[in-house]
Amino acid sequence: AQSVTQLGSHVSVSEGALVLLRCNYSSSVPPYLFWYVQYPNQGLQLLLKYTSAATLVKGINGFEAEFKKSETSFHLTKPSAHMSDAAEYFCAVSGSSGTYKYIFGTGTRLKVLA
Amino acid sequence: DGGITQSPKYLFRKEGQNVTLSCEQNLNHDAMYWYRQDPGQGLRLIYYSQIVNDFQKGDIAEGYSVSREKKESFPLTVTSAQKNPTAFYLCASAGQGKTQYFGPGTRLLVL
Repeated sequence: AQSVTQLGSHVSVSEGALVLLRCNYSSSVPPYLFWYVQYPNQGLQLLLKYTSAATLVKGINGFEAEFKKSETSFHLTKPSAHMSDAAEYFCAVSGSSGTYKYIFGTGTRLKVLA
Repeated sequence: DGGITQSPKYLFRKEGQNVTLSCEQNLNHDAMYWYRQDPGQGLRLIYYSQIVNDFQKGDIAEGYSVSREKKESFPLTVTSAQKNPTAFYLCASAGQGKTQYFGPGTRLLVL
């Protein structure tokens, strides 16, 4: 069985500060892991994905995430927050075999303070 | 441009009425998905299809139905049996790379 936990439904950071959004997963098979961003009343946009290659994954808009198997974590970071980063972020896990089904976390809403 | 389209953007349902949400993709993806999004609950899988003429129930299929007669299309019908249909509905598709790509969504409201 697979599951995803996103710690913190709301996170606030100052503009220019480090962004850290937490994601922990459980999976009985080697996982594929994803981060998506959603702006109000829009669909989800892929930020980055881990598919068993490099453990440090770089994505769009300056975001990156590190896969840590020992900690079952895939936290999303950005060195310097921008006002345009304010959105909701979702972590998802999929098994590396079988169907392409995802399990999504409940999301973290990021607020960027001027 | 390749992508996923959903229509309409907003949909209003009267009590006892069935309504159909459209999802079309021109990415040549085999797999397609429907999700329901409610505030604070993330995305929940309604139905998915990995190939034409075949589909499986997701976690919350009751009150919904789908068809997959063409590779490009995966319409979702919200039936009168769905007693709480107000939500944001998202369609996605995936190719061999397993990455899901999402449409812009349809917001369903009950009159």
